[in-house]
Amino acid sequence: TQLLEQSPQFLSIQEGENLTVYCNSSSVFSSLQWYRQEPGEGPVLLVTVVTGGEVKKLKRLTFQFGDARKDSSLHITAAQPGDTGLYLCAGAGAGNQFYFGTGTSLTVIP
Amino acid sequence: DSGVTQTPKHLITATGQRVTLRCSPRSGDLSVYWYQQSLDQGLQFLIQYYNGEERAKGNILERFSAQQFPDLHSELNLSSLELGDSALYFCASSEWGGSYNEQFFGPGTRLTVL
Repeated sequence: TQLLEQSPQFLSIQEGENLTVYCNSSSVFSSLQWYRQEPGEGPVLLVTVVTGGEVKKLKRLTFQFGDARKDSSLHITAAQPGDTGLYLCAGAGAGNQFYFGTGTSLTVIP
Repeated sequence: DSGVTQTPKHLITATGQRVTLRCSPRSGDLSVYWYQQSLDQGLQFLIQYYNGEERAKGNILERFSAQQFPDLHSELNLSSLELGDSALYFCASSEWGGSYNEQFFGPGTRLTVL
């Protein structure tokens, strides 16, 4: 069962463009994390958000947790080829279970 | 390098067989998580252990079992393998067992069931 839907599923943009990835659910999560995964490797944590409405910035990446703690977004400013990868959101639900989103595959073309 | 090690890196076996995947967490981490990643299902949480005890259970099949040993390494046992079990299996570890803790993922074991 996929509780977290990400959109878009695939994204191909030119270097320097901005983009936003969305992570939506009908469930409430105690915390939400964003990961980036490169081919052949495990996911690497980018950020954890825990408070509804929270906004965190990591250089050119801005993460927001929805007020109701059901959704989140990741905005990348001036994308670079090094941003290429699979972006995954993950929510912590009841019973300490972790649910990963469907993933957004980002390609940044030089 | 996350500090989490997984062996083997690749595993090819036949349907009906049983395999064991091994994970060593980062030094000092008490919690271990197992995930399955396939093209059609994405990354699925299987099970979590904290200091040797089962902490949370996800979409783990009855044919699968896991344990965490006193030295904190963990093993995931997959039995009566089916073609659909072919996937990447990741282990992750965290310092504690809470949902806010950063999980560090290993490089994964790619299982192919023929």
